[in-house]
Amino acid sequence: TQLLEQSPQFLSIQEGENLTVYCNSSSVFSSLQWYRQEPGEGPVLLVTVVTGGEVKKLKRLTFQFGDARKDSSLHITAAQPGDTGLYLCAGDGMDSSYKLIFGSGTRLLVRP
Amino acid sequence: ETGVTQTPRHLVMGMTNKKSLKCEQHLGHNAMYWYKQSAKKPLELMFVYSLEERVENNSVPSRFSPECPNSSHLFLHLHTLQPEDSALYLCASKASGGSTDTQYFGPGTRLTVL
Repeated sequence: TQLLEQSPQFLSIQEGENLTVYCNSSSVFSSLQWYRQEPGEGPVLLVTVVTGGEVKKLKRLTFQFGDARKDSSLHITAAQPGDTGLYLCAGDGMDSSYKLIFGSGTRLLVRP
Repeated sequence: ETGVTQTPRHLVMGMTNKKSLKCEQHLGHNAMYWYKQSAKKPLELMFVYSLEERVENNSVPSRFSPECPNSSHLFLHLHTLQPEDSALYLCASKASGGSTDTQYFGPGTRLTVL
């Protein structure tokens, strides 16, 4: 069974601080996606990483896919209140191209 | 606005009621999904339809019954639910079966079963 564990589960930080969120598995994924979900909305895709060791940047957000394609991290520089939300990682299900396996999420609160 | 709409946004129902959730996508996608999101648990895939055929059914109790009349619409019919079925129900669509295709989510229906 493929599982994705995210840490930390909750994070409350001051505006301007940096943070890193982790997504780990014992399974290999051919791709990993990161989503952000705001209250009252569905998840919105931020990035997809497909190559081991890949690093992608989206403004102040940096995403990295582990060399072995079993883990990923999301680093936010100088966090802002607008970054508040639930961050979800998701990997493709090996037994089906339709499935995504989701982590349980990291709930981030950035205080002004 | 992701191009995926869900109605109603909020629903309160008793255990003996019958209700339906509706999802509509305006993206021309071929695959549609139902997910359940409960507090402190990962998103749980319930059903997947591709070209109106059900391709995934994740051991969901029969009190949840999906229907996909065409590639733009997806329903989830509910009957005799339990309080533990209270959750956010999310619909999503994807262009095709490719694993790296983006899933676009609707805003969800917040369901409370009394």
